[in-house]
Amino acid sequence: ELKVEQNPLFLSMQEGKNYTIYCNYSTTSDRLYWYRQDPGKSLESLFVLLSNGAVKQEGRLMASLDTKARLSTLHITAAVHDLSATYFCAVEDSNYQLIWGAGTKLIIKP
Amino acid sequence: DSGVTQTPKHLITATGQRVTLRCSPRSGDLSVYWYQQSLDQGLQFLIQYYNGEERAKGNILERFSAQQFPDLHSELNLSSLELGDSALYFCASSPLGSSYEQYFGPGTRLTVT
Repeated sequence: ELKVEQNPLFLSMQEGKNYTIYCNYSTTSDRLYWYRQDPGKSLESLFVLLSNGAVKQEGRLMASLDTKARLSTLHITAAVHDLSATYFCAVEDSNYQLIWGAGTKLIIKP
Repeated sequence: DSGVTQTPKHLITATGQRVTLRCSPRSGDLSVYWYQQSLDQGLQFLIQYYNGEERAKGNILERFSAQQFPDLHSELNLSSLELGDSALYFCASSPLGSSYEQYFGPGTRLTVT
């Protein structure tokens, strides 16, 4: 059974700093997704990573996938307050279902 | 705006009651997924339908049921409601039977009193 672990679960950081959120998963998968959720709102797709070594960037966010290590990272560069949200990773299992991480709540302070 | 619509936005009801949540997928998407999000349980996958047929089941209680109609909209029925069923219920859609990228609706906030 595929399990997905995110860490940290909570992150409070200062504007302008860099940080990384980690998503580990327990069995082989080649597809991983990152989503963002603002409080009380829906989930918004950020990145779709479909192969080993995939790297995607959008603004101050960069996501990468290492299928051999079963690890994805979401890197935040020079954080700004608008990036405060909860970030979820989700991994596709062998039945093509998404298994979700618990989410990382990110608070960026001015 | 993802193109997925859900109604109602908010629902307040009493324990023991039954409610129906409705979801219309993005145009052309054949798969619909239902999720429950509560504070203590995180995001829980409930059930998936693909082109009218049940495709996968997650942590869906027996008191809950769903269906997808020929026009591809879906309904989630929750019965014998309990306080613990209070949560945000999301519907998501994707083009194919496999998960691919899912597009989430705005959610229905259910409060059971």
